[in-house]
Amino acid sequence: KAGVTQTPRYLIKTRGQQVTLSCSPISGHRSVSWYQQTPGQGLQFLFEYFSETQRNKGNFPGRFSGRQFSNSRSEMNVSTLELGDSALYLCASSWDRGSLNTEAFFGQGTRLTVV
Amino acid sequence: AQKVTQAQTEISVVEKEDVTLDCVYETRDTTYYLFWYKQPPSGELVFLIRRNSFDEQNEISGRYSWNFQKSTSSFNFTITASQVVDSAVYFCALSGMNTGFQKLVFGTGTRLLVSP
Repeated sequence: KAGVTQTPRYLIKTRGQQVTLSCSPISGHRSVSWYQQTPGQGLQFLFEYFSETQRNKGNFPGRFSGRQFSNSRSEMNVSTLELGDSALYLCASSWDRGSLNTEAFFGQGTRLTVV
Repeated sequence: AQKVTQAQTEISVVEKEDVTLDCVYETRDTTYYLFWYKQPPSGELVFLIRRNSFDEQNEISGRYSWNFQKSTSSFNFTITASQVVDSAVYFCALSGMNTGFQKLVFGTGTRLLVSP
């Protein structure tokens, strides 16, 4: 069974540009979450999508957005990049059995460097 | 608010030693889940265990064991007879019913270095 796939693995962008990261969840998983990992702030929740709807959101500015497609694949977008957006962006998928929690499986991440 | 504290920033042991990673959590939820993840240098977070708030039974999986104590809000992780391959950063995480079960709140992680 294929795991969570994130593309690209590495990305270098210039301040002010925008970037789109992609995440393909494990087959059958309908919940996709995104996290930002930095040395200073650690792992922080960005948002979660379920059945094409944003179900939960972390404390990030509006420059960070996402969406989910009907096949559960998800993308996140960061506009007007700042140096502080340099981070490892991790995507996680889970089966989600309604009100119960199911464990989240993570991809290898996209390492974004803003110069 | 939810919070996870991993007070140990880095632990160094020699192979075959036992090591315990500490995790203390705070939550107002009565229904919540606790997790441990391992992050090797490749970056991927590898799921190790999930425990719900109603199940305080300790668990053992091979060399790994977990001790969940609601009375002290702790969920500690012990590796018995550590190996070099155990070297990684380990994260404890929490999710709760009121904040959303899929929203994981992570601790700052404990870097484990196992030398031969």
